[in-house]
Amino acid sequence: GEDVEQSLFLSVREGDSSVINCTYTDSSSTYLYWYKQEPGAGLQLLTYIFSNMDMKQDQRLTVLLNKKDKHLSLRIADTQTGDSAIYFCAELAGNQFYFGTGTSLTVIP
Amino acid sequence: GAGVSQSPSNKVTEKGKDVELRCDPISGHTALYWYRQSLGQGLEFLIYFQGNSAPDKSGLPSDRFSAERTGGSVSTLTIQRTQQEDSAVYLCASSLNSRGDTQYFGPGTRLTVL
Repeated sequence: GEDVEQSLFLSVREGDSSVINCTYTDSSSTYLYWYKQEPGAGLQLLTYIFSNMDMKQDQRLTVLLNKKDKHLSLRIADTQTGDSAIYFCAELAGNQFYFGTGTSLTVIP
Repeated sequence: GAGVSQSPSNKVTEKGKDVELRCDPISGHTALYWYRQSLGQGLEFLIYFQGNSAPDKSGLPSDRFSAERTGGSVSTLTIQRTQQEDSAVYLCASSLNSRGDTQYFGPGTRLTVL
């Protein structure tokens, strides 16, 4: 399958911004997604971006896409303790979804 | 409306036993997916059902794994002769139509093989 890579851990202080990064390998990706997984729960879709866009903003969330470098990031402004979770990026390439390993975000009060 | 549900939420079994995991997709969703999430790894695609078409089984890791979807709704993932490396969280997702549609995930079944 395709490689979708994320760093495993991120810690930030409450109120700071969090930036979670993701790299992917398939240049034919059509959509890229960010999911959130809270402990004991399934994945929840946070936001997605079409591959011909380079930025999408949704309240505290900003998604940046650098298609040339195949780099996707999720910025969470004013991070709260409730944002502590695992964040997965995913790409839709061809007819298949590929998910990253997930980044565990810890928000320190 | 109700989301994707899965049962059981936790399953502990002995090596060599068979297990069945159940998924109830969102009503009206024609596409259903099974994934496996192992510790420290990303989601691994297992199988995809779309309407009445033949399922895409390309992700099933061995012939011990099989899945059915009855009546275009509920799906069962069966693992025969379980092995310790089968221990993982098994996630089910559904989407309205095709693979390009947003997937909605269930809470998963945590399988532990002793």
